Amino acid sequence: EAEVAQSPRYKITEKSQAVAFWCDPISGHATLYWYRQILGQGPELLVQFQDESVVDDSQLPKDRFSAERLKGVDSTLKIQPAELGDSAMYLCASTDGYEQYFGPGTRLTVT
Amino acid sequence: GIQVEQSPPDLILQEGANSTLRCNFSDSVNNLQWFHQNPWGQLINLFYIPSGTKQNGRLSATTVATERYSLLYISSSQTTDSGVYFCAVPGVNYGQNFVFGPGTRLSVLP
Repeated sequence: EAEVAQSPRYKITEKSQAVAFWCDPISGHATLYWYRQILGQGPELLVQFQDESVVDDSQLPKDRFSAERLKGVDSTLKIQPAELGDSAMYLCASTDGYEQYFGPGTRLTVT
Repeated sequence: GIQVEQSPPDLILQEGANSTLRCNFSDSVNNLQWFHQNPWGQLINLFYIPSGTKQNGRLSATTVATERYSLLYISSSQTTDSGVYFCAVPGVNYGQNFVFGPGTRLSVLP
């Protein structure tokens, strides 16, 4: 069964350092999402791609966060510089137009 | 934007008990999903259920779109059912993004 892949699974970084997360959606899924989930809360959308284009990045803190999906397949989410408040689970999902399918997530700890 | 509420926020059950989780949403939707987040953080798809009723083993779900709610039923609960259950509906401004509820944390005791 096809799955959404993410790496790394865990990342510990120091405040002010740069960090990057990678996501490979299910083959053929044109729409890709990045979510952030703070402990005890539901996931919140950071950015949505349709192929290589950004559809919605209204909740992305653009002063420090960037996301790209250059060839419309896999995607990278970057944080520079990381802050203590960025500690969270970062989830990637893709959709067949009906259901969303999530990857295992990257748990980020900023020290 | 659309608001999503879930109840109860926390639920503790003995193994074998049944439970009902509720999701209320503030606007009309054409899509609704239920997820189970396991202790490792993975979100597992349970149901895609914009309307009607579906069943999958011990789990079933019903969405009454006209009344803006959905219910998830868990029967004969097992310890492996523990975790957080989320419902998600489309945000009204962008058709294919999703807004999640705050979740129901379920603990099933042996």
